[in-house]
Amino acid sequence: GAVVSQHPSWVICKSGTSVKIECRSLDFQATTMFWYRQFPKQSLMLMATSNEGSKATYEQGVEKDKFLINHASLTLSTLTVTSAHPEDSSFYICSARAGGQYEQYFGPGTRLTVT
Amino acid sequence: GQQLNQSPQSMFIQEGEDVSMNCTSSSIFNTWLWYKQDPGEGPVLLIALYKAGELTSNGRLTAQFGITRKDSFLNISASIPSDVGIYFCAGQLIGGAQKLVFGQGTRLTINP
Repeated sequence: GAVVSQHPSWVICKSGTSVKIECRSLDFQATTMFWYRQFPKQSLMLMATSNEGSKATYEQGVEKDKFLINHASLTLSTLTVTSAHPEDSSFYICSARAGGQYEQYFGPGTRLTVT
Repeated sequence: GQQLNQSPQSMFIQEGEDVSMNCTSSSIFNTWLWYKQDPGEGPVLLIALYKAGELTSNGRLTAQFGITRKDSFLNISASIPSDVGIYFCAGQLIGGAQKLVFGQGTRLTINP
């Protein structure tokens, strides 16, 4: 149980284009989903928290107009990187939490490379 | 942002040895979670701790929630090659929006 998937697992895009990453909880309903970014050999950095049906809450320093988050259902959240730049290249990981639970379960991550 | 102090940052051990790592913070947490991350993968939950003083095992893994609620340790007994990876502690702040604060990670390397 508690399986979270991400799609795509890797993506290469050109500067100025937008990329959408999907995060799905496969066997539970995720009232809250989290999006993280991880640079090589570093820890996870929380970008935003999204609750189903409401606007995402972004961490300080994260541009909400650049990283668009939608949590339209209890099993799906999407992160769209708009007008991507090479410095947006990173490993993006989502996690999901069921209502009333403390544990967060992570997806396998999406490696984004912007050329 | 806020981080936990996790140590050691890296460990190089022989197969069969026991491993110990810990996390400390100046903040009080209501939940401690330990994750393992393999290269190019997302973190996998190993152990969750919910109460101060709680000691929990998962196979060869044992973790404890410090009595002050500001620290936690993870022990791995009789290490095997598949234990290689990066281990992260994560604390959930009291009163926070269920967000996790992560340690810097402990990179475990095992010599066969």
